[in-house]
Amino acid sequence: AQSVTQLDSQVPVFEEAPVELRCNYSSSVSVYLFWYVQYPNQGLQLLLKYLSGSTLVKGINGFEAEFNKSQTSFHLRKPSVHISDTAEYFCAVRGGSASKIIFGSGTRLSIRP
Amino acid sequence: GAGVSQSPRYKVTKRGQDVTLRCDPISSHATLYWYQQALGQGPEFLTYFNYEAQPDKSGLPSDRFSAERPEGSISTLTIQRTEQRDSAMYRCASSAGTLYNEQFFGPGTRLTVL
Repeated sequence: AQSVTQLDSQVPVFEEAPVELRCNYSSSVSVYLFWYVQYPNQGLQLLLKYLSGSTLVKGINGFEAEFNKSQTSFHLRKPSVHISDTAEYFCAVRGGSASKIIFGSGTRLSIRP
Repeated sequence: GAGVSQSPRYKVTKRGQDVTLRCDPISSHATLYWYQQALGQGPEFLTYFNYEAQPDKSGLPSDRFSAERPEGSISTLTIQRTEQRDSAMYRCASSAGTLYNEQFFGPGTRLTVL
């Protein structure tokens, strides 16, 4: 079985500061990893995904994540955040041939001007 | 359609009533998923369809929950004899396939059971 842990429920940062949202997973099989973003009153939108290959994955809106198999982590980073990045971010995992995605509990990113 | 749509967007019902939620996926998408998202939590898988087939319904919390997709397009999620603990956001997503394809999410239906 797979599981996802997002240790930070809220992350406040100042505008133009860097940010890292942490995600750790557990799985007994090879995994596919995702970050989704949920803007206020909207549905979830895919930010980026890791399926295979390069461990550094670049996504939309300047976000990137690095797959670290030894640490079972998939942290999300952005070098400089904007007010428009205010949203909730969900890390998710899909294991092996399973079709369902397991989501973490989410991290709320709030940007201070 | 242009995106995944869900109706109603909000539903308030009394305990013991039945409710049916609807999902209209992206028209070319074979696969459709239902999730339940409690306040402050991430979405939790309920079930999915591949066209009309329903290969996995392991996430349905009880036999009060059922889902259909009779013609392989629109899907409905029905909750019978609703309970207060069923209050949540119910999200639908569709994708062109299963393993490698992105899931596109609808706006969700907020269900409140009084």
